[in-house]
Amino acid sequence: AQKITQTQPGMFVQEKEAVTLDCTYDTSDQSYGLFWYKQPSSGEMIFLIYQGSYDEQNATEGRYSLNFQKARKSANLVISASQLGDSAMYFCAMTAGGYNKLIFGAGTRLAVHP
Amino acid sequence: EAGVAQSPRYKIIEKRQSVAFWCNPISGHATLYWYQQILGQGPKLLIQFQNNGVVDDSQLPKDRFSAERLKGVDSTLKIQPAKLEDSAVYLCASSLGTGISYEQYFGPGTRLTVT
Repeated sequence: AQKITQTQPGMFVQEKEAVTLDCTYDTSDQSYGLFWYKQPSSGEMIFLIYQGSYDEQNATEGRYSLNFQKARKSANLVISASQLGDSAMYFCAMTAGGYNKLIFGAGTRLAVHP
Repeated sequence: EAGVAQSPRYKIIEKRQSVAFWCNPISGHATLYWYQQILGQGPKLLIQFQNNGVVDDSQLPKDRFSAERLKGVDSTLKIQPAKLEDSAVYLCASSLGTGISYEQYFGPGTRLTVT
């Protein structure tokens, strides 16, 4: 069965520094997608970045990049130049099953300090 | 483009009562999802619709939860009777399709408290 593991319940970072949020996954599928979502205290889930299992290049979206290491089954999110507004819960997720539902990890709470 | 709409935003009920949530997906999105997010956990899929039909309801507690999607657009999720452990945020999401790269767009959620 597919599974996402996020081992960091909470992380702290100073404003303007970079931070890496860890994510490992388990699947027997050859084709799958990996996503990162941000959930501020207001509750909505905001899409950040996507990586396909066959993509050779690591995905980047502005200050977000995904460090994809297929052999290690890891998909870490790197946020560069952290901002106070980055304080939120961050969820790693992967597609699973024939209709590609999303399986989410438990999340990492990021706090950005001034 | 309008996002995913959900109502109500908050609901407080007593156990054994019934409750219904409504979701209006992004126009043109064929796939609709209902997730349950218990405090401190990631969202868990309850049910997934492709147009009018259900394609995954493997984690839906069917003895108390039901859902329908009318004419392939709006959807309602019902709980009857509610239990204390149903206290959670119920998130609706939609996507263009079910390919692995299709982004799911989430609504603001309904926070349910069962007392």
